[in-house]
Amino acid sequence: NAGVTQTPKFRILKIGQSMTLQCTQDMNHNYMYWYRQDPGMGLKLIYYSVGAGITDKGEVPNGYNVSRSTTEDFPLRLELAAPSQTSVYFCASSSARRSNQPQHFGDGTRLSIL
Amino acid sequence: QKEVEQNSGPLSVPEGAIASLNCTYSDRGSQSFFWYRQYSGKSPELIMFIYSNGDKEDGRFTAQLNKASQYVSLLIRDSQPSDSATYLCAVTGQETSGSARQLTFGSGTQLTVLP
Repeated sequence: NAGVTQTPKFRILKIGQSMTLQCTQDMNHNYMYWYRQDPGMGLKLIYYSVGAGITDKGEVPNGYNVSRSTTEDFPLRLELAAPSQTSVYFCASSSARRSNQPQHFGDGTRLSIL
Repeated sequence: QKEVEQNSGPLSVPEGAIASLNCTYSDRGSQSFFWYRQYSGKSPELIMFIYSNGDKEDGRFTAQLNKASQYVSLLIRDSQPSDSATYLCAVTGQETSGSARQLTFGSGTQLTVLP
């Protein structure tokens, strides 16, 4: 019963480095999302995807890139990491049947940029 | 810019009491409303969702929605120390819009249930 799986769970990067946060889901959900959560704040949408090959920007997309080559995987790429990207990143997925389907979240990746 | 507002708390209630969590939203066309619970250091987990005006009950939890007032609330009856967490309100956009499947989250209300 894996659901949404994110790797790695923790990572420390130096300023200017790049990395990819991995997200995979086994529920055959069309919709996938990337959020960031800063301390004491709610979640802010970075990017989302409505299906393989289709992605779109959310509220805070600057400094990030995504791709969606399969239904299962939705990686998030950080290029030229900056201290402002220190956050907890959550990946989520939902069914496409109706817009009122709840989103299911992975356990998160805690990222520090030093 | 859609906004979802919650009192950040902290809200403290004694064990066995009713905890009342409130949320207002700015987009009058919002269709779906979700309450997530988030324990410290953990990911959000779905507690309740509601789409229609009125009340929806699930065990000790009741969600209340008033679209005219753009207000949604979560009541937790017989509160337990294990209910201590941050509760996030989340709202979708209009059904016919591109944001219909995007969630806008409030900043959360921290609830502490005192034994």
